Amino acid sequence: AQTVTQSQPEMSVQEAETVTLSCTYDTSESDYYLFWYKQPPSRQMILVIRQEAYKQQNATENRFSVNFQKAAKSFSLKISDSQLGDAAMYFCAYRSALAGGTSYGKLTFGQGTILTVHP
Amino acid sequence: SAVISQKPSRDICQRGTSLTIQCQVDSQVTMMFWYRQQPGQSLTLIATANQGSEATYESGFVIDKFPISRPNLTFSTLTVSNMSPEDSSIYLCSALGDTTYEQYFGPGTRLTVT
Repeated sequence: AQTVTQSQPEMSVQEAETVTLSCTYDTSESDYYLFWYKQPPSRQMILVIRQEAYKQQNATENRFSVNFQKAAKSFSLKISDSQLGDAAMYFCAYRSALAGGTSYGKLTFGQGTILTVHP
Repeated sequence: SAVISQKPSRDICQRGTSLTIQCQVDSQVTMMFWYRQQPGQSLTLIATANQGSEATYESGFVIDKFPISRPNLTFSTLTVSNMSPEDSSIYLCSALGDTTYEQYFGPGTRLTVT
């Protein structure tokens, strides 16, 4: 079974600064997807960024980028130029890419990291 | 993309009663799922809602407690039966789109059991 670990229960950052959230995972599969989701107090899960395991290039979405280290099974999220609206719970998640497998489509989430942004 | 709505958005229920949560997707999706998020915790998968057949439950979740229906490709219900205060959680519906990486979430249903 796959596991996802976020070792930082809480993080804080000053507005306009950069912060990195950590995530490690364990799997025996070679093809999978990794995601970072944001959950503000509204409860709505918002996809921040995704990474396909077969791609060596790190994904980037505007101020958000990842450092994907497949051999180390590490998937950290960097938020640049932090904004007050970035304050939320952030979840790292894993999903198998094996079509038709018993785990297909199912997300395994980490414990979450609460991000506070100070003005 | 797909938009998911859930009803009710929140409810307060008495122990021993049951609540049915509805999930509606505005387009056809390949797979639908139900997750539970206990207070201050992460999301845990309850089951995969299969269209026209019995849901597939994860370890620790059983059909008698969480019956699920999916009569068509865009609608599913989750019932929380014989509720206890330990069932107080946010229940989220999720759907997998046609491409392999599109995954959508509903806004969640906040359930409080007294």
